Amino acid sequence: DAGITQSPRHKVTETGTPVTLRCHQTENHRYMYWYRQDPGHGLRLIHYSYGVKDTDKGEVSDGYSVSRSKTEDFLLTLESATSSQTSVYFCAIRGLGSNYGYTFGSGTRLTVV
Amino acid sequence: ELKVEQNPLFLSMQEGKNYTIYCNYSTTSDRLYWYRQDPGKSLESLFVLLSNGAVKQEGRLMASLDTKARLSTLHITAAVHDLSATYFCAVVTETSGSRLTFGEGTQLTVNP
Repeated sequence: DAGITQSPRHKVTETGTPVTLRCHQTENHRYMYWYRQDPGHGLRLIHYSYGVKDTDKGEVSDGYSVSRSKTEDFLLTLESATSSQTSVYFCAIRGLGSNYGYTFGSGTRLTVV
Repeated sequence: ELKVEQNPLFLSMQEGKNYTIYCNYSTTSDRLYWYRQDPGKSLESLFVLLSNGAVKQEGRLMASLDTKARLSTLHITAAVHDLSATYFCAVVTETSGSRLTFGEGTQLTVNP
């Protein structure tokens, strides 16, 4: 989608290894979010950021950390990947204006073996 | 804690028929969103509903919001195969960092 990109798009990693996913935006928006999507659960919030170096936990934050050193980049790190973290990860940004629309990235499919 | 429930979770319908997807949420909300997701794809925004009684329509889809009942509906009129997808509602409260809380999604299949 215009304005937000995720990398990598696909990744296979081994249990116990660290993994970092990147979300990059060109919209200069303040709010950024990381969600994971699993069958039967919809999308669940992992962490979010409301500005540079300002982050907070979501409902499924255990095993994940985030960093935001620049407005445009929001990184999600799995410190030691586990099979339960196999999922599709989506980044989102919150727009401006009365509708406060949310735009989602294309997603990262992560498989932990 | 805000909870969002959709029903049904699975919906198989024939082309030309009408049906409604329901979205209930547990606490007062500022805005409600509907999204569409095709298999292997990202989420596409359909509607944002801002106030009680809000109704929005796009093509064969119409969304409405009743904030007193904490209920939103997505009505499908004369379904066509191209509407087959998973539909999510999501609710946001400003007091929670503008976080979107999603329902589980409704997987819609429209059969010829």
